[in-house]
Amino acid sequence: GAGVSQTPSNKVTEKGKYVELRCDPISGHTALYWYRQSLGQGPEFLIYFQGTGAADDSGLPNDRFFAVRPEGSVSTLKIQRTERGDSAVYLCASSLAGEKDTQYFGPGTRLTVL
Amino acid sequence: GENVEQHPSTLSVQEGDSAVIKCTYSDSASNYFPWYKQELGKGPQLIIDIRSNVGEKKDQRIAVTLNKTAKHFSLHITETQPEDSAVYFCAAYNNDMRFGAGTRLTVKP
Repeated sequence: GAGVSQTPSNKVTEKGKYVELRCDPISGHTALYWYRQSLGQGPEFLIYFQGTGAADDSGLPNDRFFAVRPEGSVSTLKIQRTERGDSAVYLCASSLAGEKDTQYFGPGTRLTVL
Repeated sequence: GENVEQHPSTLSVQEGDSAVIKCTYSDSASNYFPWYKQELGKGPQLIIDIRSNVGEKKDQRIAVTLNKTAKHFSLHITETQPEDSAVYFCAAYNNDMRFGAGTRLTVKP
């Protein structure tokens, strides 16, 4: 079956602009995660959804970052007033509800803030 | 919180040789340890994992060992091939996933 998909694959924006990044999890996976990966580093946790609700958003760096998952499937990560330091690859992963540790990643969105 | 350290940061081997990547973790409550392979421009791909009630697991040319007492685990790749070249990440899970900084493996033909 299809894996986790993310769009766009690349996004270039200017400092101060608003961006939305989309994630479509594996069908049937109720758990969804967003991570941020800086160059030369491992992924860092941002937020975790179980169904429609954010079960853990402790990794969001500040209030410019927000994520939603209104129907319990597709999720959107929203970044307001982007800063150059937000440049990174944003990864989405999904898992079955009973196997939260076994996570499958999408290809990521490379965000560049000029 | 959990802290995962990974060594070496880069590893170069000749095709056919073995490669070993080591990780340590700090949280003794961590109970699941996956390994991911990430190729350029792609997301991390789960290649093998081990749970805390198991000491070793093998899948063809890939094996992982876990020493809970010492809080370290290792990835072993035998008979390496050029297509094994990638960045490998270890991770430890206890309610959330913490990743190592990665090892760039290069297999020279």
